[in-house]
Amino acid sequence: ETGVTQTPRHLVMGMTNKKSLKCEQHLGHNAMYWYKQSAKKPLELMFVYNFKEQTENNSVPSRFSPECPNSSHLFLHLHTLQPEDSALYLCASSRDRGSDQPQHFGDGTRLSIL
Amino acid sequence: TQLLEQSPQFLSIQEGENLTVYCNSSSVFSSLQWYRQEPGEGPVLLVTVVTGGEVKKLKRLTFQFGDARKDSSLHITAAQPGDTGLYLCAGVKGNKLVFGAGTILRVKS
Repeated sequence: ETGVTQTPRHLVMGMTNKKSLKCEQHLGHNAMYWYKQSAKKPLELMFVYNFKEQTENNSVPSRFSPECPNSSHLFLHLHTLQPEDSALYLCASSRDRGSDQPQHFGDGTRLSIL
Repeated sequence: TQLLEQSPQFLSIQEGENLTVYCNSSSVFSSLQWYRQEPGEGPVLLVTVVTGGEVKKLKRLTFQFGDARKDSSLHITAAQPGDTGLYLCAGVKGNKLVFGAGTILRVKS
């Protein structure tokens, strides 16, 4: 139990579908992150939120839309995805946005695009 | 070209063997974190090293930060099947946390 819960754990969707990934943290942290993990590649930071405000968008295509209604919840809305978007999507949180802060990860959502 | 290169990419060994995995860069980092990611789970922080030359031990795991703070190593003594997983290093550079691609370790019983 890492204190960061992601749902669903697995998701298969067509390229025209709309779906959302959910992340919830019970650690009282102020910063939350979305990462993409593909085989044999480093973790790719997608978005960063600090105190509910988006502080980073690392050139992520607009078919990925994040939402952070409060410091405990983070969503990733998906629309018109491409096959190359198939990956493990990890959510993480940290006490604050400091880059030296240890990050607590959820177990990820395995996304497959048909 | 990745900022942090981890080697080897994949390692398969027998239970009881020793091993070392490496995390190398041409850049200087203010600190470096090591994570282990078990199959079906997210990465879990093992240790953070901050000072050049620092050595930290976590049971059978020994972590070392290079003197110049550009590289790090993880040595595992008498590996166990429970050590199986993806080992990720992540360097702190400015306001960024940069991850390597990881070393997949498989320990066979």
